[in-house]
Amino acid sequence: AQRVTQPEKLLSVFKGAPVELKCNYSYSGSPELFWYVQYSRQRLQLLLRHISRESIKGFTADLNKGETSFHLKKPFAQEEDSAMYYCALSGFGNTGKLIFGQGTTLQVKP
Amino acid sequence: DAMVIQNPRYQVTQFGKPVTLSCSQTLNHNVMYWYQQKSSQAPKLLFHYYDKDFNNEADTPDNFQSRRPNTSFCFLDIRSPGLGDAAMYLCATSRDRGDNSPLHFGNGTRLTVT
Repeated sequence: AQRVTQPEKLLSVFKGAPVELKCNYSYSGSPELFWYVQYSRQRLQLLLRHISRESIKGFTADLNKGETSFHLKKPFAQEEDSAMYYCALSGFGNTGKLIFGQGTTLQVKP
Repeated sequence: DAMVIQNPRYQVTQFGKPVTLSCSQTLNHNVMYWYQQKSSQAPKLLFHYYDKDFNNEADTPDNFQSRRPNTSFCFLDIRSPGLGDAAMYLCATSRDRGDNSPLHFGNGTRLTVT
């Protein structure tokens, strides 16, 4: 079964500390992975996707097919990074389907 | 700004009373999606429209229907809401269905069933 697991509901760090938001997936096909973010009182929006291999707002994520993981990392957290982060799985052809994890709330303390 | 707009932000309905949620977009995207998100759970895809082609998820209850009268608008109809249907309903659009087309979300409608 296709599934995305984000094991931490809440991750609390101090400003300047490194951040790693964990994401594991289960999918026998060729996965496409994304991170979506929702800041307070804003809409859910795309943060980054693994095919782009880009760094957005200092965040990076590497797809590790051996460990079936797509962890989101940032070396130095900032207070404005506080938000809800969702890992999402696609790769089901032209079905339009995106499977989300349950989300992790990142709280960056001053 | 091109965007996805959901109305209303909050909707209260009574048990069994039909309710319609609306979504409009100015992005001219081909695909429109409806997701249901219950408290502390992941958003779950209910169905999507690719242009006029309706695509239902296998586990979406029959109680949920959708209409897309034109490119810009899409509606979610809940024929007989139950208490278990209380949730945040998210509309999203994408240019295409492929993985290179990210989703653009609206702010959501929070549905309360009394």
